[in-house]
Amino acid sequence: AQSVSQHNHHVILSEAASLELGCNYSYGGTVNLFWYVQYPGQHLQLLLKYFSGDPLVKGIKGFEAEFIKSKFSFNLRKPSVQWSDTAEYFCAVGFTGGGNKLTFGTGTQLKVEL
Amino acid sequence: NAGVTQTPKFRILKIGQSMTLQCAQDMNHNYMYWYRQDPGMGLKLIYYSVGAGITDKGEVPNGYNVSRSTTEDFPLRLELAAPSQTSVYFCATASRKDEQYFGPGTRLTVT
Repeated sequence: AQSVSQHNHHVILSEAASLELGCNYSYGGTVNLFWYVQYPGQHLQLLLKYFSGDPLVKGIKGFEAEFIKSKFSFNLRKPSVQWSDTAEYFCAVGFTGGGNKLTFGTGTQLKVEL
Repeated sequence: NAGVTQTPKFRILKIGQSMTLQCAQDMNHNYMYWYRQDPGMGLKLIYYSVGAGITDKGEVPNGYNVSRSTTEDFPLRLELAAPSQTSVYFCATASRKDEQYFGPGTRLTVT
């Protein structure tokens, strides 16, 4: 079965530090890729998505992600984090033939300290 | 537009009780999903539907049932609640090959 791995479970950064969260998946076919964010006590919201084209995608709030097909990766980045970025981040992958379903990673809890 | 709504927001059940978690959407999306979220486990798909009258099992369907009689509604039924079903439940919708839009969630405790 296809799987999605997020290697960092908890990340603590100071404000203005750079962020990179890893996401890898196991599947050799075509994929749709997503990053979602969940602020404390809230539901999941889409940060960015990749279906095809330029592998560097930009999302909301200054986030971006790069799809590297050869590495089966879709890492999330932000050059300078803010305290308000404290949240849990989920990578999700849609696999072809998967009935429009998504497989989620286990999430990365990010805490940004002032 | 309300988007995706879920009721109730919170519920405490006793072991063996039953309940229905409601999910409604006004986005006219064909696809609807039910997930459960447990700490450190991400989201696991319980059931999904590709349109009215069509449902299918996800990764963790045991102990749950769904129905999809209309495009708008996708209720999740727990027949005999167990402590293992203590979780946060999210409903989501999508149009074909697009991102999923999530509801606010239902926090369920079974004691």
